[in-house]
Amino acid sequence: NAGVTQTPKFRILKIGQSMTLQCTQDMNHNYMYWYRQDPGMGLKLIYYSVGAGITDKGEVPNGYNVSRSTTEDFPLRLELAAPSQTSVYFCASSYGTGITDTQYFGPGTRLTVL
Amino acid sequence: GQQVMQIPQYQHVQEGEDFTTYCNSSTTLSNIQWYKQRPGGHPVFLIQLVKSGEVKKQKRLTFQFGEAKKNSSLHITATQTTDVGTYFCAGRGGTSYGKLTFGQGTILTVHP
Repeated sequence: NAGVTQTPKFRILKIGQSMTLQCTQDMNHNYMYWYRQDPGMGLKLIYYSVGAGITDKGEVPNGYNVSRSTTEDFPLRLELAAPSQTSVYFCASSYGTGITDTQYFGPGTRLTVL
Repeated sequence: GQQVMQIPQYQHVQEGEDFTTYCNSSTTLSNIQWYKQRPGGHPVFLIQLVKSGEVKKQKRLTFQFGEAKKNSSLHITATQTTDVGTYFCAGRGGTSYGKLTFGQGTILTVHP
């Protein structure tokens, strides 16, 4: 099992450009999440999905979009990149909402917007 | 909305000293989880606590969940250089549908 994989690992964007961050998990997890982590800060939830075809906003969704066409993939789309979106982005997955459910994180994508 | 506060933000210790980080929630939690993130790495699950007053140990790490299920702590005895990293608590509320609210994390530095 590869677990949760993310691509790319690093990316530099110019203001106004768009890009898609890829996330794939091979654990057959129902739930997937996108977080951003700013320096010295915790993890802020951007979007999450409870299954294929179902997504919902998290704490900081503005400027992002997601889709979940398959159980395995949960791409995050940045439209019109802004410097405020410079951050480390983590994708995570979990089996379900059980009280003992834990999240497995990918290695992250380090994004800089100049 | 639910808020999870974690203190201290930074902690520098000499190798062999003890370390504690505290986590407080604005609401009662159904459970709390702890994650460790090594420098340049991603968060990795350590443990979760479910019961009021629960205490769990992992070698030199001791985790506690408060009686009111609104606070938690992680204590490391006799720190080692391998303990460096950021420790996050993450709480799940009663109706959060699987979502976790993360604390800001405590960055631990261990000086040899």
